[in-house]
Amino acid sequence: GENVEQHPSTLSVQEGDSAVIKCTYSDSASNYFPWYKQELGKGPQLIIDIRSNVGEKKDQRIAVTLNKTAKHFSLHITETQPEDSAVYFCAAMAGGGADGLTFGKGTHLIIQP
Amino acid sequence: ETGVTQSPTHLIKTRGQQVTLRCSSQSGHNTVSWYQQALGQGPQFIFQYYREEENGRGNFPPRFSGLQFPNYSSELNVNALELDDSALYLCASSLGTGGETQYFGPGTRLLVL
Repeated sequence: GENVEQHPSTLSVQEGDSAVIKCTYSDSASNYFPWYKQELGKGPQLIIDIRSNVGEKKDQRIAVTLNKTAKHFSLHITETQPEDSAVYFCAAMAGGGADGLTFGKGTHLIIQP
Repeated sequence: ETGVTQSPTHLIKTRGQQVTLRCSSQSGHNTVSWYQQALGQGPQFIFQYYREEENGRGNFPPRFSGLQFPNYSSELNVNALELDDSALYLCASSLGTGGETQYFGPGTRLLVL
């Protein structure tokens, strides 16, 4: 089955700086890669996703890049703000969807004022 | 907010008991997936329901079972509770099973004593 590795486990950046979180996946059949933000006591919230037919997607301060050959994808957050502090999860899914999403272990992003 | 609701928010059970958790999907979504999230970990896929049938299942024993109703709401049942079943249980709804975006509810926190 699919295996998703996520790094780093904790990331501390100064407010206004950029943050990058990286994930690798093992199953070449995976073709959908969402990123979720989870705040304390809440469910995961989708912040951006990418499918394997594109290499990059951007939404305001958030961007995701995908390298299918190397089987890795990354989340980039620019101009970080205190409200960006949370745990971020990457995930992967094969096209059929019946195997569900496979998640990484999460990155605790801390924005230092 | 995603429109996915779950009940109850918190639950305490003792080892060996049975529990039923409930999920109402986002309006128009016909697929519900259930995940278990242990403390400090990413969510793990339990199973998915589509058109009232189990459509896919992760690596969970048969004492984890589910139902989906004609209005697309769903239940997760866990029999013979074990201490390791203590976790946040999340449901996610989507429009279809072909790798569509999944939107998560706030979760039910289960503690098994």
